[in-house]
Amino acid sequence: GQNIDQPTEMTATEGAIVQINCTYQTSGFNGLFWYQQHAGEAPTFLSYNVLDGLEEKGRFSSFLSRSKGYSYLLLKELQMKDSASYLCAVSNMLTFGGGTRLMVKP
Amino acid sequence: ETGVTQTPRHLVMGMTNKKSLKCEQHLGHNAMYWYKQSAKKPLELMFVYSLEERVENNSVPSRFSPECPNSSHLFLHLHTLQPEDSALYLCASSQLTGVDEQFFGPGTRLTVL
Repeated sequence: GQNIDQPTEMTATEGAIVQINCTYQTSGFNGLFWYQQHAGEAPTFLSYNVLDGLEEKGRFSSFLSRSKGYSYLLLKELQMKDSASYLCAVSNMLTFGGGTRLMVKP
Repeated sequence: ETGVTQTPRHLVMGMTNKKSLKCEQHLGHNAMYWYKQSAKKPLELMFVYSLEERVENNSVPSRFSPECPNSSHLFLHLHTLQPEDSALYLCASSQLTGVDEQFFGPGTRLTVL
């Protein structure tokens, strides 16, 4: 079966750094996606990790540890527009976690 | 039109109605997907098509019937739905199936009365 866990909500301050964790237990694994979804909008792609390690893309970085079934999304220099839900999803079966709603406060 | 488009954006239907959702992608992708997004539940994959052939059906009730006439178009035919089927239905496309960035359409907000 597939099980993906993320915190439901997180709050952070503008300009700060926040880490959103995702743990997974799946019967098959090709890679892990992160998507951003603003309220009332469609998800948009952030990253796809296949190999262990950290991948950096501007203010956003994503980390994967396949042996631990663990990933995180790191957001630096937070901006108000980063307030959104962040969804992790395991490739293979395209199973999504419940999403983490991030609120950025001034 | 660019990206992935969906029509209608909003739909209200009774339980005895028959309606169809339409999705079109202008990206030249080979795979298309239907997802259901309900409040307080994870995004659920419903159907996957690769090169117009269905490759995934996640135990979706038969009252939902997909159709993929070509690689650019995807339909979801609805009949005798239940109120619990009310949700946001999202279409997505990608170049490769399941291992590639997906581009999502804006979704159809469905309400079943």
